[in-house]
Amino acid sequence: DIQMTQSPSSLSASVRDRVTITCRASQNISSYLNWYQQKPGKAPKLLIYAASSLQSGVPSRFSGSGSGTDFTLTISSLQPEDFATYYCQQSYSSPLTFGGGTKVEI
Amino acid sequence: QVQLEESGGGLVKPGGSLRLSCAASGFTFSDYYMSWIRQAPGKGLEWISFISSSGNTIYYADSVKGRFTISRDNAKNSLYLQMNSLRAEDTAVYYCARARRGAAYILDYWGQGTLVTVSS
Repeated sequence: DIQMTQSPSSLSASVRDRVTITCRASQNISSYLNWYQQKPGKAPKLLIYAASSLQSGVPSRFSGSGSGTDFTLTISSLQPEDFATYYCQQSYSSPLTFGGGTKVEI
Repeated sequence: QVQLEESGGGLVKPGGSLRLSCAASGFTFSDYYMSWIRQAPGKGLEWISFISSSGNTIYYADSVKGRFTISRDNAKNSLYLQMNSLRAEDTAVYYCARARRGAAYILDYWGQGTLVTVSS
């Protein structure tokens, strides 16, 4: 199975901060990497797919980059509604696997 | 708009069974791959099963293989998860999710989830 490791597991930030979350795969997954946002008590929401493609309706302050084993999710200017937990997920092969999550707190 | 609504969760004793349903609307259900994902209380996301649009291709996580069965009824726009031999560690919120068209493992819409609690 492909292991996905996110860092940090949590971070504190302020509104308008630039935030970067990293995700590392245990093997080369090309660009088969997706990012989700989850707020407490809610279902995850797809933000970025194929490493850098923005899902329809997602604000442009979210961006993704990387390929191979190392990936990054960047929020260019953190907004109050962005405080949530973020997960990466590889879609290279079954079983699908998720990173452990990064909680973005005030 | 795309909607997915899970049902069937509840409290069940260890060793018991439960059948989850996911009702889909707002899209042509028979065109899309689907998955079940779960989240234990306070924990991360765990993918547990995948089914192709026709139902001919099915995958399971090792943690549920042999105990859970995924199925779908395209005529009823519904996805199912039959869960047998339930264990305490199966306690979680269970989500159904649609895969992005042409990409089996990119999950673009999720239901709100249904809670399964396995306890005596």
